[in-house]
Amino acid sequence: DAKTTQPNSMESNEEEPVHLPCNHSTISGTDYIHWYRQLPSQGPEYVIHGLTSNVNNRMASLAIAEDRKSSTLILHRATLRDAAVYYCILRDVGNTGKLIFGQGTTLQVKP
Amino acid sequence: DAGVIQSPRHEVTEMGQEVTLRCKPISGHNSLFWYRQTMMRGLELLIYFNNNVPIDDSGMPEDRFSAKMPNASFSTLKIQPSEPRDSAVYFCASSLTTGVGYGYTFGSGTRLTVV
Repeated sequence: DAKTTQPNSMESNEEEPVHLPCNHSTISGTDYIHWYRQLPSQGPEYVIHGLTSNVNNRMASLAIAEDRKSSTLILHRATLRDAAVYYCILRDVGNTGKLIFGQGTTLQVKP
Repeated sequence: DAGVIQSPRHEVTEMGQEVTLRCKPISGHNSLFWYRQTMMRGLELLIYFNNNVPIDDSGMPEDRFSAKMPNASFSTLKIQPSEPRDSAVYFCASSLTTGVGYGYTFGSGTRLTVV
C-alpha cells in the first residue's frame, strides 16, 4: 500500500475550523483516500473518503489536491468531542479490502 | 442498528491459558476484520474474512492465534496458549464489502491483559 505522511500532532481551538494535512506523493491512479478517526478508548470510526473530487459529508470535508499528492481533512467547527487520532489511508481499488493504519495525527481541541 | 458487538470488553487471564474473543458483525455486512492495537505497533490487521471465508491471514502473528467465522453473524479470535506480549486491545470491524467505496464499522474492542 502507498505511504501517507501526517503530522504527529496538531492543536485547535474550540469552534474554529481545523485543517488536517496528509501527504501521499506516491499515490497511484487507483488509490482512494480514506480518513478515519479514533476517539479515546474507542474503536476507529470512518470519516470520509474520495478519489479525485472534493467530498463533503455531515462530519467533515475532504479537499484533494489537483495532482492528488496531498489531501486535507477539514473539520468546519471543532468541538471538544473532535479530539482524536486522525488517520489518512490509501486504498487501492484493486486491493481486496485491506485497511492499513499508520500513526495518524493526534488532534487536541482547546476550550 | 446495534453496530459491531464484541465480547468481552475486558479479559484478564494468566499466561498459558486459552483466550477466546468474540465478534458479531453488522447484519448484512459481508466482510469481517480483526485488528490488534498496542502502543508500540499501533493498529495491525490480523486477518479478514469475505463471505465467511478467510481471505488474508498474513497478519496473524503466530500459530498460537486462530480465527474462525462459522456463519455470517459470528466470528472468534482464539489465542492458545496466551503470553504476556499478547496484551493489547483487539478490535473487530465489518464492512458491506471489501470494495474501496465502503467504510469499515469497528466495535468497541476487547482489552486483553495476560499476566
